[in-house]
Amino acid sequence: DVKVTQSSRYLVKRTGEKVFLECVQDMDHENMFWYRQDPGLGLRLIYFSYDVKMKEKGDIPEGYSVSREKKERFSLILESASTNQTSMYLCASSSTGFNEKLFFGSGTQLSVL
Amino acid sequence: AQSVTQPDIHITVSEGASLELRCNYSYGATPYLFWYVQSPGQGLQLLLKYFSGDTLVQGIKGFEAEFKRSQSSFNLRKPSVHWSDAAEYFCAVVPTGTASKLTFGTGTRLQVTL
Repeated sequence: DVKVTQSSRYLVKRTGEKVFLECVQDMDHENMFWYRQDPGLGLRLIYFSYDVKMKEKGDIPEGYSVSREKKERFSLILESASTNQTSMYLCASSSTGFNEKLFFGSGTQLSVL
Repeated sequence: AQSVTQPDIHITVSEGASLELRCNYSYGATPYLFWYVQSPGQGLQLLLKYFSGDTLVQGIKGFEAEFKRSQSSFNLRKPSVHWSDAAEYFCAVVPTGTASKLTFGTGTRLQVTL
């Protein structure tokens, strides 16, 4: 089975801190994604990547950046965390093509105080 | 831009009862359609998907969904719900002929009473 691993299940940070969320997948997938999940809003796409060193903005990229230096790893960066970035962050991966089956990690619940 | 509507935020059913979760999409052409489930503390798992062909799609865990073009709907059904089905369910769409970029609905939380 595909495994998508997010480095932290819970994270508490202070306003203004730089925050790194890490995601690793073990199935050699080309595509990787970062979503945030908020009650009543569902999942919203922050950034995605189709290949190493390649990134594209999703629907809500403001306040975030990403890094993909290796195929298996996709990092989400909050340059200066703010309280409105308190959320559940979900990483996902998929192979190329129209299969569109996303494999999700278990999520990181980030609280910014 | 495409959109997905799940009109029911929260549904409660008794164990053994039937279930239908609603999903409507807004898009010019028929998109690819998906249902995902999120159990408490877990990531999302794909239940089923529709690309083309037979409009009744079978998925895992005894779920099925029916695509109705005339109603722009892709409702999820299960004949008899089990307590372990309590979770949040998300409908998602992606336009045909594009690369991976799903749009998710806001989700329906299912509670199962014993």
